[in-house]
Amino acid sequence: SQKIEQNSEALNIQEGKTATLTCNYTNYSPAYLQWYRQDPGRGPVFLLLIRENEKEKRKERLKVTFDTTLKQSLFHITASQPADSATYLCALDISTISNFGNEKLTFGTGTRLTIIP
Amino acid sequence: DTGVSQDPRHKITKRGQNVTFRCDPISEHNRLYWYRQTLGQGPEFLTYFQNEAQLEKSRLLSDRFSAERPKGSFSTLEIQRTEQGDSAMYLCASNNELRYGYTFGSGTRLTVV
Repeated sequence: SQKIEQNSEALNIQEGKTATLTCNYTNYSPAYLQWYRQDPGRGPVFLLLIRENEKEKRKERLKVTFDTTLKQSLFHITASQPADSATYLCALDISTISNFGNEKLTFGTGTRLTIIP
Repeated sequence: DTGVSQDPRHKITKRGQNVTFRCDPISEHNRLYWYRQTLGQGPEFLTYFQNEAQLEKSRLLSDRFSAERPKGSFSTLEIQRTEQGDSAMYLCASNNELRYGYTFGSGTRLTVV
């Protein structure tokens, strides 16, 4: 069966350190992988997208890697701050060329990140 | 542009009642998605519109659920004969192309008592 796993339901990191979150998937061949941030009681907020032919993407203090051989993405927050505390979701696009137009994202269960001052 | 709007933010209903939620996407977005999220889980796909056409429905969407997007603008999600298992956050999202990510609304929190 198809599965997306985000290792660590919860992660506590000291302020200033790098937080690394993991997303593993099986039985998918995604064209894109995305990361979202979700605060309690709010909808997810899009952070970064990485394509299958890209190894790494950066945006300010965020970095995402994508290894299609390992079927894994790593999400890094450098110089972490208490304001980075939230749940982070990875999401895969499982559309293919054959069903273009029926694109949708499948989400992992999320990792709750707490940055400790 | 104020982003994706969802109404109401919260809804408490008695089991067996019908409820309807509304989503107003970003005006230039032609794709609209409904997701459901329960505590501790990621959002689960329910259905997807491109303009006014409903292109895909999840098996999660039983015949008690119906969604519409008349004229390709706002969308409504109706749940008939609500059950306690329907209690969840219902999220709406929109975009033009998947590669640019979704813009989500703040969701409608449904509680069935």
